[in-house]
Amino acid sequence: KAGVTQTPRYLIKTRGQQVTLSCSPISGHRSVSWYQQTPGQGLQFLFEYFSETQRNKGNFPGRFSGRQFSNSRSEMNVSTLELGDSALYLCASSPSPSGGDGYTFGSGTRLTVV
Amino acid sequence: KQEVTQIPAALSVPEGENLVLNCSFTDSAIYNLQWFRQDPGKGLTSLLLIQSSQREQTSGRLNASLDKSSGRSTLYIAASQPGDSATYLCAVARGGADGLTFGKGTHLIIQP
Repeated sequence: KAGVTQTPRYLIKTRGQQVTLSCSPISGHRSVSWYQQTPGQGLQFLFEYFSETQRNKGNFPGRFSGRQFSNSRSEMNVSTLELGDSALYLCASSPSPSGGDGYTFGSGTRLTVV
Repeated sequence: KQEVTQIPAALSVPEGENLVLNCSFTDSAIYNLQWFRQDPGKGLTSLLLIQSSQREQTSGRLNASLDKSSGRSTLYIAASQPGDSATYLCAVARGGADGLTFGKGTHLIIQP
């Protein structure tokens, strides 16, 4: 059974650019959540999608957005990149919304903004 | 706002020891609590999931307990091995608008 797949694994972008990250959940999982991990702030919740609808959103600026497709794959977009956006971005999938059945995480995308 | 604290922040012990990692949370209205391990530069691997109605879960050498009323969970690792070296994270789900709330983790080193 395939796990959660995140692409790409590594990205280097320049300040002001935008970036799109992709996440394919475990087959049959309809919930996809995104988290940002930095050394200073730890793991912080970005947003959750379930059946193509954003259910929840963390305390991040509007530059961070996402969407979910009918096959449950999700993309996260960050516009006008800042140096502080450098982080490991993790995606998690779950059969149900809001974590009732626990989450399975992907290996992450390491974003470096220069 | 839910806050999760993990103690200790770092721990180094010789191989073979039994050890306990602690996690506390401020709001007892949780769906469940999940323990993860993270190897350097990698994603999170789920270890144990405890639903709010459960008291403990076991998987191999790992045992996690949950005391929801006091806002505490412990992860017990028996007969530690060098391969257990990693950062251990606990996270609580409230089923609301804030996804999983994570602690900062315990960085564990098992000395051969």
